[in-house]
Amino acid sequence: NAGVTQTPKFQVLKTGQSMTLQCAQDMNHNSMYWYRQDPGMGLRLIYYSASEGTTDKGEVPNGYNVSRLNKREFSLRLESAAPSQTSVYFCASSDFGAYRRDNEQFFGPGTRLTVL
Amino acid sequence: GDSVTQMEGPVTLSEEAFLTINCTYTATGYPSLFWYVQYPGEGLQLLLKATKADDKGSNKGFEATYRKETTSFHLEKGSVQVSDSAVYFCALRGIENTGGFKTIFGAGTRLFVKA
Repeated sequence: NAGVTQTPKFQVLKTGQSMTLQCAQDMNHNSMYWYRQDPGMGLRLIYYSASEGTTDKGEVPNGYNVSRLNKREFSLRLESAAPSQTSVYFCASSDFGAYRRDNEQFFGPGTRLTVL
Repeated sequence: GDSVTQMEGPVTLSEEAFLTINCTYTATGYPSLFWYVQYPGEGLQLLLKATKADDKGSNKGFEATYRKETTSFHLEKGSVQVSDSAVYFCALRGIENTGGFKTIFGAGTRLFVKA
């Protein structure tokens, strides 16, 4: 049982380049999330998918797109990377969607992205 | 809107010292409260949670009590170990205006424990 996996672990991009961060979970969870972690700011939600076939914007969606490919996989795409997108990106999943008050989230190990 | 404020780090302690990391929150309604821990190079993992006032969450020697009167959820451990060195995040899960729930994380507090 691998839990939540993310690829790649590290990536360096030049301004304007594009890339896709991959995330997969093997816990049969309905909901999946993408966060970014910046020093002193905690985790900020970029996009989430409450269930297969749905996606919604979070707190900081500008410059990103997502695809919920199937129940297991949720990818994050940067179409034209900018230095402000330098961050650590975490994917997470949870068993129940947005309608459960005590919902625990399970996190992947993160992708450290640098945009030059 | 809802928010979480936790003490700034880093916190540096010697092994076997007592740990307190303060966390206060602002929320409408009755949120659930969580502490997550992030070890170096890893993602966050749930440490403990409490879902209603006066509940105490506990795990691995860590404890936190949901105090509605002071809107606090302070993390404590009686005797820290070097292996507790990590970043600790306080979080709340509260209702949003769409009728669903969302999780809000604090900025995190880094703990260093010296042998």
